[in-house]
Amino acid sequence: GNSVTQMEGPVTLSEEAFLTINCTYTATGYPSLFWYVQYPGEGLQLLLKATKADDKGSNKGFEATYRKETTSFHLEKGSVQVSDSAVYFCALSGPRNSNDYKLSFGAGTTVTVRA
Amino acid sequence: GAVVSQHPSRVICKSGTSVKIECRSLDFQATTMFWYRQFPKQSLMLMATSNEGSKATYEQGVEKDKFLINHASLTLSTLTVTSAHPEDSSFYICSAKGTPQETQYFGPGTRLLVL
Repeated sequence: GNSVTQMEGPVTLSEEAFLTINCTYTATGYPSLFWYVQYPGEGLQLLLKATKADDKGSNKGFEATYRKETTSFHLEKGSVQVSDSAVYFCALSGPRNSNDYKLSFGAGTTVTVRA
Repeated sequence: GAVVSQHPSRVICKSGTSVKIECRSLDFQATTMFWYRQFPKQSLMLMATSNEGSKATYEQGVEKDKFLINHASLTLSTLTVTSAHPEDSSFYICSAKGTPQETQYFGPGTRLLVL
């Protein structure tokens, strides 16, 4: 079945540091890949997504590239801010246009950015 | 973005009682809603998928008579935990999806504590 493995946290960084959260997946075919973010006290929000190999999702300075050859979708941001402190979840669903929208989530990585 | 609410945000109940959790899409019609469960420091696990007007589809290992799901309208789904026991204590999160969009919008979650 589908599964997602992401880097364990917690991760603590200083402002303007570079952030990477590793995510690898196991799935058949070409799943859609997502990064969700959960800010303190709020629900999960879609941060970015990619639906086919070599696609790059980007939003709010975050980027992730769909790497089929390494089955990875690592999240990166070049210069983090205190407001980026949150829990980040990597997830996958069935291929685009497959009507398989069920999400499989990684365990989540807690990121704390200090001023 | 679309907003999904959950009520209550937190509930404490006695063992043997039933608890109902509501999930509402506030500004869009949710043809599909999903219910997840999250244990501390663990990933979200999909419990069931419900489509408006039809019976929910439960994931393997989830007792459908224990976790009753009703999706009677395009803006409301309910999860009822029947005869709750301490092992049912968890964080329950819903998400909603409209048509034809594939993005799921998440509620803030409901923390259930069964004494």
